[in-house]
Amino acid sequence: GQQLNQSPQSMFIQEGEDVSMNCTSSSIFNTWLWYKQDPGEGPVLLIALYKAGELTSNGRLTAQFGITRKDSFLNISASIPSDVGIYFCAGHGGSQGNLIFGKGTKLSVKP
Amino acid sequence: GAGVSQSPSNKVTEKGKDVELRCDPISGHTALYWYRQRLGQGLEFLIYFQGNSAPDKSGLPSDRFSAERTGESVSTLTIQRTQQEDSAVYLCASSDEAQGFRNEKLFFGSGTQLSVL
Repeated sequence: GQQLNQSPQSMFIQEGEDVSMNCTSSSIFNTWLWYKQDPGEGPVLLIALYKAGELTSNGRLTAQFGITRKDSFLNISASIPSDVGIYFCAGHGGSQGNLIFGKGTKLSVKP
Repeated sequence: GAGVSQSPSNKVTEKGKDVELRCDPISGHTALYWYRQRLGQGLEFLIYFQGNSAPDKSGLPSDRFSAERTGESVSTLTIQRTQQEDSAVYLCASSDEAQGFRNEKLFFGSGTQLSVL
């Protein structure tokens, strides 16, 4: 079945640093999404990407839909302590497809 | 309510017992999903309900797992004869979808942490 490889698995950075994480797939997706999960909570949608090459920002977050439609990246600029959590990429193959989730990138920020 | 509500938030059970997990979706959301999240893992799709259509059960890992939904409201996920490998967080999500089109913008509940001893 479809799988997503998300990297890195975890990151431990200093407050103020920029962060970059990415996701690759063995197959093409029509939509890429990035979710964030805080401890003890369900994931919350951060950014949705619908078109190959699309670059979208949401505050300090920027995400891109890869040209090949098999990858996406998420950047966080000037990280702050509340950025801590697990970031999941997710791909959607089409109108009837299920969301496929990556295994997550755990972000820890040192003040 | 304002968001997706799940209960209980935590459940500890003994191996072999049955458990029932509940999900109240956002009012008006026609689609409802159940996912399983094992420790340190991504979200594993279990089942999908949309309106009165037959549910997509393709993600259920065994016949010990079943789920029901009453109309476009509450859903229950039942795990019979629980095993230790069933220990995980079970997440419910809902979305506002037109018939025949899955919306990727899911709103998740906080999950039920199931521990099977």
